[in-house]
This record gives sequence, structure tokens and C-alpha cells, in this order.
Amino acid sequence: GAGVSQSPSNKVTEKGKDVELRCDPISGHTALYWYRQSLGQGLEFLIYFQGNSAPDKSGLPSDRFSAERTGGSVSTLTIQRTQQEDSAVYLCASSLGLDNSPLHFGNGTRLTVT
Amino acid sequence: GENVEQHPSTLSVQEGDSAVIKCTYSDSASNYFPWYKQELGKGPQLIIDIRSNVGEKKDQRIAVTLNKTAKHFSLHITETQPEDSAVYFCAAASNYQLIWGAGTKLIIKP
Repeated sequence: GAGVSQSPSNKVTEKGKDVELRCDPISGHTALYWYRQSLGQGLEFLIYFQGNSAPDKSGLPSDRFSAERTGGSVSTLTIQRTQQEDSAVYLCASSLGLDNSPLHFGNGTRLTVT
Repeated sequence: GENVEQHPSTLSVQEGDSAVIKCTYSDSASNYFPWYKQELGKGPQLIIDIRSNVGEKKDQRIAVTLNKTAKHFSLHITETQPEDSAVYFCAAASNYQLIWGAGTKLIIKP
């Protein structure tokens, strides 16, 4: 079946512009996560959704970052007034939302801020 | 806060030999320990996981062991092959939150 889909796969933007990253989770998965991965680094947690609500936004680096999820499905991560330090791969994952159910990752969006 | 330490950061082994990656966690409430493999340009993929009521789990060439008393768990890959080359991440979970190790780059030498 279809896995987690992220778009675009690559995005180059100028410093100061806003960007929107999209995640389509696996159908039926109620939990959705956003992570950031800098080159050669580990996974930095950004935000977690259960359904349409976000009980944990603790990882968002600044108020320039926001995310929403509609219809319990698609999620968008928005970065306003992008900075060069925002350059990274943004990964989305979904799961059944049950206690400790495995995460299924998309292939990420590589964001480059010039 | 909770953290997971992963060692080594880089591991180079001869093809056919075994590879072992170790992780230590701090939260004694953690009850689920997955391992993910990340190939270049792709998202992490779950390869094996273990829950806190089990001490060892095996799936073909891959095995994971868990020592809850010592709060550490390990990934064992036997008879390594070129396609095992990747970055491996361990994680420890309680409820919905996964705490990730920093990753191990595994290099398989021909």
C-alpha cells in the first residue's frame, strides 16, 4: 500500500521567504510527527499530532514555525521568514496512534535557504 | 530530560563479519525500543523492535537484546552484506514520545 508521502521532495528558497511543506500520512494513521534532520545529524522532534490536535508542540524552534493538520489526514509545516539555519531535511512520520505503534517515515523534504 | 546515548558513531566492518551497536537510555519508564535504518536520501525505516517484557528478539540476520536493569539495548547484525551499509538509529519510547540516539554510520568493507 501507499506509504507516507511528502512534497516537495526538494525546495530551494531565498532567505526571508515563507515555505510550506506537505505530508500525506498512511490512511488510517491517527498520529503524525514532524522531525528535522540536519546534514549528517540525528532526528530533532518538532511537533506531534493526534488527530487534528497537537498535544506536543515543544520541539518547534521558534514562532516562525507552525503546523496544522486537517481532516485527521494531511499536515502542512509552515516556516515563515526563512533563515539559512532552517536548511535541513524535514521528515514526516505517521503511526496508528496506539501506545508504541511503529512510526512510518516519508522520504522527507530537503529545504535549502540561500 | 530523557536521553539516549548511542555508540559507536561510526562502525566499519568487513563484509561477512558481525556488527554491534549499543544504546543506553535514561528513562526507566521506557517500554518500547525500536531500531531504524536510514539509507541515503530516504526516511528511516523500522528494521526491528523490542518491548520491555522481552529480553531478546531475532529476525534472520538481525537481533536486538535488552537489559532493563542496566537500561541498555543492542543491535546485532550477523553475516554483514554491502546492503547493510546505512545509518542506524536506536530509540526509546514511553507513551507516544520517542527519544532518539544520534545514529551510527555502518560501513561494510568489501
